Amino acid sequence: EVHLLESGGGLVQPGGSLRLSCAASGFTFTTYAMTWVRQAPGKGLEWVSLLYSGGSSTFYADSVKGRFTISRDDSKNTLYLQMNSLRVEDTAVYYCAKEGYDSTGYAYIDYWGQGTLVTVSS
Amino acid sequence: DIQMTQSPSSVSAYVGDRVTITCRASRGIRNYLVWFQQQPGKAPKSLIYAASSLQSGVPSRFSGSGSGTDFTLTISSLQPEDFATYYCQQYDAYPWTFGQGTKVEIK
Repeated sequence: EVHLLESGGGLVQPGGSLRLSCAASGFTFTTYAMTWVRQAPGKGLEWVSLLYSGGSSTFYADSVKGRFTISRDDSKNTLYLQMNSLRVEDTAVYYCAKEGYDSTGYAYIDYWGQGTLVTVSS
Repeated sequence: DIQMTQSPSSVSAYVGDRVTITCRASRGIRNYLVWFQQQPGKAPKSLIYAASSLQSGVPSRFSGSGSGTDFTLTISSLQPEDFATYYCQQYDAYPWTFGQGTKVEIK
């Protein structure tokens, strides 16, 4: 059974930094791309970043580009999101998600973690 | 960026009703669309991928259709556990984008 457990959320001041972690189990972590998606309080879902297996390719939403860095440690089955220069508008629940592959080889989200709350406030 | 627009924003229905939600992309995305369900206070759950393929473990009362710019999610007979918010998301091009959500409420 796929299990994704996020950690590292909390309260941080504007301009500060935080690193989120996502511990994965129940599948061959090295094989799959992984994604971060966030949800501001009372709002919809916003895709943040994706990292393909082997760390070969990364993609970011414009809203976080240059401030956030996605990475993975395959030896620990763990995904990370380093968040720098945090803004009030980055306040959200951050979800880690595993990618599946459809019949054409395109990656899509198939499993989600429970999320970790990041609050940016002074 | 590709904009995803869902309609309606909310729908009220009875248990047993057939419910249809529409998702429109601002440009063609072939069939690279997924549907998610989010129950209150919970993480999203994947329902449909590639516009019409049922994710493993998802009940067969959920179905998806469409290609190009217009897509639908249908719940054939609404069950109490189906009252939730539903999102579509395109994975044809980065940045991936979501619809704004459709809330299915009890009538």
